[in-house]
Amino acid sequence: AQTVTQSQPEMSVQEAETVTLSCTYDTSENNYYLFWYKQPPSRQMILVIRQEAYKQQNATENRFSVNFQKAAKSFSLKISDSQLGDTAMYFCAFAYNNNDMRFGAGTRLTVKP
Amino acid sequence: GAGVSQSPSNKVTEKGKDVELRCDPISGHTALYWYRQSLGQGLEFLIYFQGNSAPDKSGLPSDRFSAERTGGSVSTLTIQRTQQEDSAVYLCASSSLGGFGNTIYFGEGSWLTVV
Repeated sequence: AQTVTQSQPEMSVQEAETVTLSCTYDTSENNYYLFWYKQPPSRQMILVIRQEAYKQQNATENRFSVNFQKAAKSFSLKISDSQLGDTAMYFCAFAYNNNDMRFGAGTRLTVKP
Repeated sequence: GAGVSQSPSNKVTEKGKDVELRCDPISGHTALYWYRQSLGQGLEFLIYFQGNSAPDKSGLPSDRFSAERTGGSVSTLTIQRTQQEDSAVYLCASSSLGGFGNTIYFGEGSWLTVV
């Protein structure tokens, strides 16, 4: 079974600083996708970034980047120059075969002014 | 429609009553998911529909939960004889066919409170 683990239930960061959220997963699959989703207080889930397992280059989207370590089955999210609007729950997710997607328990991030 | 639409957005029901939650996915999306999110918790997978294939029901917590998807579009999640532990946000999501790893798009959820 595929599992996704986020070991940090809550984190905080000062505005303009950098924070890294951790995610590990367990799978026997070789080809899969990994995602980070953001859920602000509005409850709407928003895709932040995604990584294809067969690509070694780490994905980057503006202030968001990942550190994908396939052998270690690790997929951390780095948020640079944190903004107040980044305050949200962040979910790591794993998808393989026909869009079946499973999520971690989430990390609640608070950006402090 | 432009996005995934869920109704009702909020529902308060008495313990023991049945409830139905509706999800209208993005037009043309063949994959549809239901997740449950309890207060302050992560997303718990409930059920997954993909085209005309048999749904993956492995996440349904008990036989009081069922879901159907009519005509490959709208889906209804039914909870029979609701219990207080069923109180949660029920999120629906959809994605297009075309290889795995496609982005899934979420609705805003249905907040169920069982009193």
